[in-house]
Amino acid sequence: GQNIDQPTEMTATEGAIVQINCTYQTSGFNGLFWYQQHAGEAPTFLSYNVLDGLEEKGRFSSFLSRSKGYSYLLLKELQMKDSASYLCAVRAFSGGYNKLIFGAGTRLAVHP
Amino acid sequence: DAGVTQSPTHLIKTRGQQVTLRCSPISGHKSVSWYQQVLGQGPQFIFQYYEKEERGRGNFPDRFSARQFPNYSSELNVNALLLGDSALYLCASSPDMGEYGYTFGSGTRLTVV
Repeated sequence: GQNIDQPTEMTATEGAIVQINCTYQTSGFNGLFWYQQHAGEAPTFLSYNVLDGLEEKGRFSSFLSRSKGYSYLLLKELQMKDSASYLCAVRAFSGGYNKLIFGAGTRLAVHP
Repeated sequence: DAGVTQSPTHLIKTRGQQVTLRCSPISGHKSVSWYQQVLGQGPQFIFQYYEKEERGRGNFPDRFSARQFPNYSSELNVNALLLGDSALYLCASSPDMGEYGYTFGSGTRLTVV
């Protein structure tokens, strides 16, 4: 089966660092995406990993270990506007096409 | 450049009715995928269309159908609406079949009463 797990909620303080973990069990793994989604809005792309290791992009970094089925998103210098849901999504290739399989999302609340 | 546009933004329908949702991908993108996001959950894959052909279908009943037009825009149709169809329907645009990632539209919020 296809399964992606991430914590339901997290809280953090403005200016701090937070790490959101994601574990997955999927077939046809073809990359992992992190999206940010504010309530009622479209998911917006944050980062992408297909090989093991760390990808850094400004205040956001993402790590992937394919052998462990594990990824994390690291957010530094948190700002109030970072309060949102963070979606971990595996791109799975099967039947000749790619599709995204999403976790349920992690709601992050940043407080002063 | 216009992003992914979806219409309508919000929609209220009665159980048993039919609904059509529309999506225009980013100019030059040939693939459109549809996702359903129920409140509090992650999006679930419904369909992928590429070059006007259905390339993939998720685990949704036959009440759900879609098509892609020559200009690469797409429609999602849902017949015999159920209360459980209430969700945010997202359209994702890609230049290919997903190898270079996806850009999502703002979605259509469907409420079935």
